Amino acid sequence: DAGVIQSPRHEVTEMGQEVTLRCKPISGHNSLFWYRQTMMRGLELLIYFNNNVPIDDSGMPEDRFSAKMPNASFSTLKIQPSEPRDSAVYFCASSSLRASTDTQYFGPGTRLTVL
Amino acid sequence: GDSVTQMEGPVTLSEEAFLTINCTYTATGYPSLFWYVQYPGEGLQLLLKATKADDKGSNKGFEATYRKETTSFHLEKGSVQVSDSAVYFCALSDRGTYKYIFGTGTRLKVLA
Repeated sequence: DAGVIQSPRHEVTEMGQEVTLRCKPISGHNSLFWYRQTMMRGLELLIYFNNNVPIDDSGMPEDRFSAKMPNASFSTLKIQPSEPRDSAVYFCASSSLRASTDTQYFGPGTRLTVL
Repeated sequence: GDSVTQMEGPVTLSEEAFLTINCTYTATGYPSLFWYVQYPGEGLQLLLKATKADDKGSNKGFEATYRKETTSFHLEKGSVQVSDSAVYFCALSDRGTYKYIFGTGTRLKVLA
């Protein structure tokens, strides 16, 4: 079975540019989570969706960050405009609440560098 | 609020040594508890989990027991290998929201 798929794996961009990160959750999963990992702050939950609906976006750092889940098999995290302090590894994870399990499965991450 | 506290790393061991990484938690209710492992350049992989008191999770020689009385979920392995070198994260899951609370991670380095 395919796991969580993220693209791109690496992104290098210049300050002020728009960045879009993509995630395809495991088929059949109905919850999706976006995390950010940095050395200073560790793993932070940015936002999560249940059945494509955003449930909690309290972790989104600023209005520059936005996330969408237009359907059950795709989600995006957008940063506009990007800043050097956004440099981090961004992970997407999915889980299946229908199966009454709270185990999250993580993608390989997108390493973002903002120059 | 809920929280997870892990021992500070890095932990450096010789191959075949015994490993313990401490994890304690604070939570209302009865969360599920997890250990995840992250190898360099990769995402987090589920190592083991426990969903209720006295449950023991185990995988690949690693074990952890859900201790409600001490609010702990310590990770142990009897004989570590060089390939176990990674960062280990303890986490709890809020049963109402299914959100995870992660510890800060403990880096393990195993020397041959």
